[in-house]
Amino acid sequence: EPEVTQTPSHQVTQMGQEVILRCVPISNHLYFYWYRQILGQKVEFLVSFYNNEISEKSEIFDDQFSVERPDGSNFTLKIRSTKLEDSAMYFCASSEGRNQPQHFGDGTRLSIL
Amino acid sequence: QKEVEQNSGPLSVPEGAIASLNCTYSDRGSQSFFWYRQYSGKSPELIMSIYSNGDKEDGRFTAQLNKASQYVSLLIRDSQPSDSATYLCAVTVTNFGNEKLTFGTGTRLTIIP
Repeated sequence: EPEVTQTPSHQVTQMGQEVILRCVPISNHLYFYWYRQILGQKVEFLVSFYNNEISEKSEIFDDQFSVERPDGSNFTLKIRSTKLEDSAMYFCASSEGRNQPQHFGDGTRLSIL
Repeated sequence: QKEVEQNSGPLSVPEGAIASLNCTYSDRGSQSFFWYRQYSGKSPELIMSIYSNGDKEDGRFTAQLNKASQYVSLLIRDSQPSDSATYLCAVTVTNFGNEKLTFGTGTRLTIIP
């Protein structure tokens, strides 16, 4: 069964450094998303991406964050200057179309020291 | 603020019994409703989707939606120890094609052998 893949599974970074989290969505899916989950808290929406542009972003997704689809398969989340509070699980998700279920990758655990 | 509310639990159910999980949502414009299962340290896994009022059954799972009451539920029949997990209710409001998921905090379910 097709799945969303994310790399790396765990990223440890010093505060202030840049990180890039990578995702390969399911191949025939058109909508892509990033979510995060701080330990013990609920899953929070960060950004949605469709037709090579951001369609919506949350208040969390400030100027430190950016997303890119550099080729036909990868979808990346960049955090330019990490803060301690960026420590969380980051999930990539994709869906086939409007109102279709979103399928999640296994996530990247980001630890900021 | 658009909210999705769930009882955080823990909900303990004997093996073989029916587990009943409930969720309410605040935005009457909500159009799509999903139940995800999340094991500790893992990503959300789609269990059920429901879009119209009534019941939808898939194996041991039944999702129920009542848009007038802004209420969605999940029933798990013949509960198994492997069903022990946190169950996340998620809702989308389609707004100009944007379809972010808004999650509840989840209900922790424990199946007692």
